[in-house]
Amino acid sequence: EVQLVESGGGLVQPGGSQKLSCAASGFTFSTNWMSWVRQAPGKGLEWVANINADGSGKRYVDSVKDRFIISRDNAKNSLYLLMSSLRAEDTAVYYCARISYQSAGTWGQGTLVTVSS
Amino acid sequence: DVVMTQSPLSLPVTLGQPASISCRSSQSLVYSDGNIYLNWFQQRPGQSPRRLIYKVSNRDSGVPDRFSGSGSGTDFTLKISRVEAEDVGVYYCMQGTHWPWTFGQGTKVEIK
Repeated sequence: EVQLVESGGGLVQPGGSQKLSCAASGFTFSTNWMSWVRQAPGKGLEWVANINADGSGKRYVDSVKDRFIISRDNAKNSLYLLMSSLRAEDTAVYYCARISYQSAGTWGQGTLVTVSS
Repeated sequence: DVVMTQSPLSLPVTLGQPASISCRSSQSLVYSDGNIYLNWFQQRPGQSPRRLIYKVSNRDSGVPDRFSGSGSGTDFTLKISRVEAEDVGVYYCMQGTHWPWTFGQGTKVEIK
């Protein structure tokens, strides 16, 4: 069974940093593109970043460019999102997703990041 | 960025009756490989989103056949042939043709 389990969410102060992790199982992680998608409380979905299978290609939505870094460790079947210079508007549930057919074929349960003083 | 516009935003439906959600993109979703990367997601209350349809009309594994997708160019539709209680939730269209990939605002389906 394909599983994605996010961790690392919590309360962080504005301007601070947080690192999210996603543990993957049930599929060949190293051959799959992966992504992070977020959802502000009570709001819709926003694509955050993609990373290709070997980690050499990354794309970001403009609102997080130069502040967030997506990375992966294929030996550990893990995806990461390092978030810095966090703002109140970054408050959201962050979902890890496996990409197929240029969309999110499988989603994790999400981890909540709250940016507040 | 490609804007995805859904209608209606709220859809009260009677159990057993059909339902239809429209999604319009601000530009063509035909990719360089000839495919149209238009997807539909369902998000039940308190749950993560789940993909129902990919590439306009392909149902994901385990998705009931009462769900169907259609469309071309910039206009797309998700249809539920007979709404069941478990279909309550928010439905999103999403395009994966142009970066950044973008979602519609969501359509809330509820039972009358």
